[in-house]
Amino acid sequence: NAGVMQNPRHLVRRRGQEARLRCSPMKGHSHVYWYRQLPEEGLKFMVYLQKENIIDESGMPKERFSAEFPKEGPSILRIQQVVRGDSAAYFCASSPLRQDEAFFGQGTRLTVV
Amino acid sequence: AQSVTQPDIHITVSEGASLELRCNYSYGATPYLFWYVQSPGQGLQLLLKYFSGDTLVQGIKGFEAEFKRSQSSFNLRKPSVHWSDAAEYFCAVGGNNNDMRFGAGTRLTVKP
Repeated sequence: NAGVMQNPRHLVRRRGQEARLRCSPMKGHSHVYWYRQLPEEGLKFMVYLQKENIIDESGMPKERFSAEFPKEGPSILRIQQVVRGDSAAYFCASSPLRQDEAFFGQGTRLTVV
Repeated sequence: AQSVTQPDIHITVSEGASLELRCNYSYGATPYLFWYVQSPGQGLQLLLKYFSGDTLVQGIKGFEAEFKRSQSSFNLRKPSVHWSDAAEYFCAVGGNNNDMRFGAGTRLTVKP
């Protein structure tokens, strides 16, 4: 049973481009969480999704950021028109139940140049 | 919504010394509490969790944590620190109807 898979591990984008971050949860997990970790800072909650539904997006910036978790395929975090301030590590986690232990992927490190 | 405070941004201890990392939470009902560890460039690994029952929880790598409802705390402890314990430690809180929220983390440095 593979763990949470995130790809790419490293992503470089120029200002104004789009970034797409993918997360495949562990088998049997229907709850997915996205977190952002800025340099020297802790984890900031962004969004919580179940299959085909956004449950809580209170941590998502109002513009340029979106997330989805389709019926088939990985969860996608999409950042449009990236800016330098978007440079961070983005972590995905999945859990079998809402309040259960979350298993983390190794993260995608986004660098905006 | 629930929240977590880790008052110590950075702690340095000598190898072999005891360790306590503080965590305070805010949540209106009985929380689910977690401690995770993150090594540089890596994802997070669960050390231990508290859902109910015995308030002293044993975890991996010799760590333990104690849930104190009266103090809204869930401090992480280890009696003797090893150099390999140097990492970032995150406390997290979740609830029956809420997703997991993390503290800002405490960076542990271990002196030889």
